[in-house]
Amino acid sequence: DTAVSQTPKYLVTQMGNDKSIKCEQNLGHDTMYWYKQDSKKFLKIMFSYNNKELIINETVPNRFSPKSPDKAHLNLHINSLELGDSAVYFCASSQVAGQGDVGYGYTFGSGTRLTVV
Amino acid sequence: GEDVEQSLFLSVREGDSSVINCTYTDSSSTYLYWYKQEPGAGLQLLTYIFSNMDMKQDQRLTVLLNKKDKHLSLRIADTQTGDSAIYFCAERPMDSSYKLIFGSGTRLLVRP
Repeated sequence: DTAVSQTPKYLVTQMGNDKSIKCEQNLGHDTMYWYKQDSKKFLKIMFSYNNKELIINETVPNRFSPKSPDKAHLNLHINSLELGDSAVYFCASSQVAGQGDVGYGYTFGSGTRLTVV
Repeated sequence: GEDVEQSLFLSVREGDSSVINCTYTDSSSTYLYWYKQEPGAGLQLLTYIFSNMDMKQDQRLTVLLNKKDKHLSLRIADTQTGDSAIYFCAERPMDSSYKLIFGSGTRLLVRP
């Protein structure tokens, strides 16, 4: 199946722990994103990578560190988790370079629900 | 500035039309999008419109764009219970960042 897949789907962890969320896309897209959706369903961009290079780094605590080993993968590592980090984290990808950018927008993963207790 | 606004809630009867509205502030936006999010799922792209168009129709969906008023709407004809979901509009500003700016989402409830 062609898709954006994230793991894990659910993550429950204690405050102060360090955790990672993984994302992979097999769509051949050149750009990947992390978005955070809060309890009111508001979506805010966190990071974006284009061909493994960081191009967007919004105002996000430096406890959050993205890593893109290749253009098909974008992982998110979070240090010293806090209660306020509880949210659904969505990975997405799109094709933005050259002829491929025809305005189709993003393809989203199904999300990782992070609960910090 | 970047700001996309939507009304929070819409309730319609099955078989009626639904109209979901959105206003945006960035006049340089190149593309505008409508996404659908069902409970517990990711966002699914429904349709998009390029900024030089004022209307796009795709089966039961009609998108209207008023660039002068920076107003976007999504009309769903013959709304079904399966259309119940949260609908997000998003704009793509014409800068180098490739990011989408999302509205806060409109929760559509379709009553039988």
